[in-house]
Amino acid sequence: AQSVTQLDSHVSVSEGTPVLLRCNYSSSYSPSLFWYVQHPNKGLQLLLKYTSAATLVKGINGFEAEFKKSETSFHLTKPSAHMSDAAEYFCVVSDWSSNTGKLIFGQGTTLQVKP
Amino acid sequence: EPEVTQTPSHQVTQMGQEVILRCVPISNHLYFYWYRQILGQKVEFLVSFYNNEISEKSEIFDDQFSVERPDGSNFTLKIRSTKLEDSAMYFCASSEAGSYGYTFGSGTRLTVV
Repeated sequence: AQSVTQLDSHVSVSEGTPVLLRCNYSSSYSPSLFWYVQHPNKGLQLLLKYTSAATLVKGINGFEAEFKKSETSFHLTKPSAHMSDAAEYFCVVSDWSSNTGKLIFGQGTTLQVKP
Repeated sequence: EPEVTQTPSHQVTQMGQEVILRCVPISNHLYFYWYRQILGQKVEFLVSFYNNEISEKSEIFDDQFSVERPDGSNFTLKIRSTKLEDSAMYFCASSEAGSYGYTFGSGTRLTVV
């Protein structure tokens, strides 16, 4: 079965410093992986996706993630945090084992950005 | 950019009442989903819909829940007799084909009192 584990429930950084949000996945086949962001009282916005093309994926707002098969990881990074990055981030894997493509969400990581 | 539209954005209902949450997926998408997020918790899969029928449902999606795509554009989630624990944000999503990405609506916050 597909699953994702977000290793940190809460990450706090200072504005202008790098961001690292960690995600490990479990998959019986080559996965499609996503990062979504949710700002307070808002919907889910796609940051980036990995679908077996380039292992380094660039997303919106300066975020990127690297797919590492040997480590079963898909960590999200950003070189310099901005106050507007404060939000909840979800690592997500798509599950096609039953031909439905349902998404399996991680528990989420709350990113706090301090001035 | 095409959007998934959900209405209403917020619904308050009394326990035991029926509610219908509405979604308009992206027109050329083929796969449709409902997810639920209870406050402070992760997003959970409820049901997937493809080729005019349910393709998979989770344990949460019991007999109180149903989905329909009545007119080829709307995609609805009905809760027959709401319970307090149904209070959550409900997200609709659609996909052309899963690995190409999924588009979520902005959600309906359901409050059962």
